[in-house]
Amino acid sequence: GAVVSQHPSRVICKSGTSVKIECRSLDFQATTMFWYRQFPKQSLMLMATSNEGSKATYEQGVEKDKFLINHASLTLSTLTVTSAHPEDSSFYICSAKYPGKGDTQYFGPGTRLTVL
Amino acid sequence: GENVEQHPSTLSVQEGDSAVIKCTYSDSASNYFPWYKQELGKRPQLIIDIRSNVGEKKDQRIAVTLNKTAKHFSLHITETQPEDSAVYFCAASTGGTSYGKLTFGQGTILTVHP
Repeated sequence: GAVVSQHPSRVICKSGTSVKIECRSLDFQATTMFWYRQFPKQSLMLMATSNEGSKATYEQGVEKDKFLINHASLTLSTLTVTSAHPEDSSFYICSAKYPGKGDTQYFGPGTRLTVL
Repeated sequence: GENVEQHPSTLSVQEGDSAVIKCTYSDSASNYFPWYKQELGKRPQLIIDIRSNVGEKKDQRIAVTLNKTAKHFSLHITETQPEDSAVYFCAASTGGTSYGKLTFGQGTILTVHP
């Protein structure tokens, strides 16, 4: 149990285009999901908290118009990087809170985004 | 907001030795402290966690201790094996209105030499 998937695992795009990343909880319903960014050899930086049916809560310094988050169902949250630029290249990881286990979070496998 | 400091940044041990990683947190309201193991290019995997109403928790070779007064918690790995080599992250959460968001430490690169 507690499986979280992400799609795609890798994506390469041209500068100026938009990229959508999906995060799914496969065997449980997650009212809350989180999106992180991780640079090489660094820690996980929380970008935003995604709650089903409501607007995402962004961390300070994260542009909400650039990183669009939609949590339309209890098993799916999406992150869209709009007008991507090379500096947006990174490893993006989502996590989902497991119901009934307090604040326990399980992570997806991550998406490697490369913007050319 | 919460701030989590993790030490050491790198740790090298011989197979069979013990490894200890320490974290301190700043927000006394934090009540949940998980530890994650991340291998290169992979997802962080929850290995053990502890809540503020408990001082110690053990799962086979892994244990976590929490000192709420000093605001620090530690991960202990005994009888280390080469497959324990990875990056370990501690984290803290205050739960409640923050929806349980985690603040992570900087990570510790553990290398276990055969």
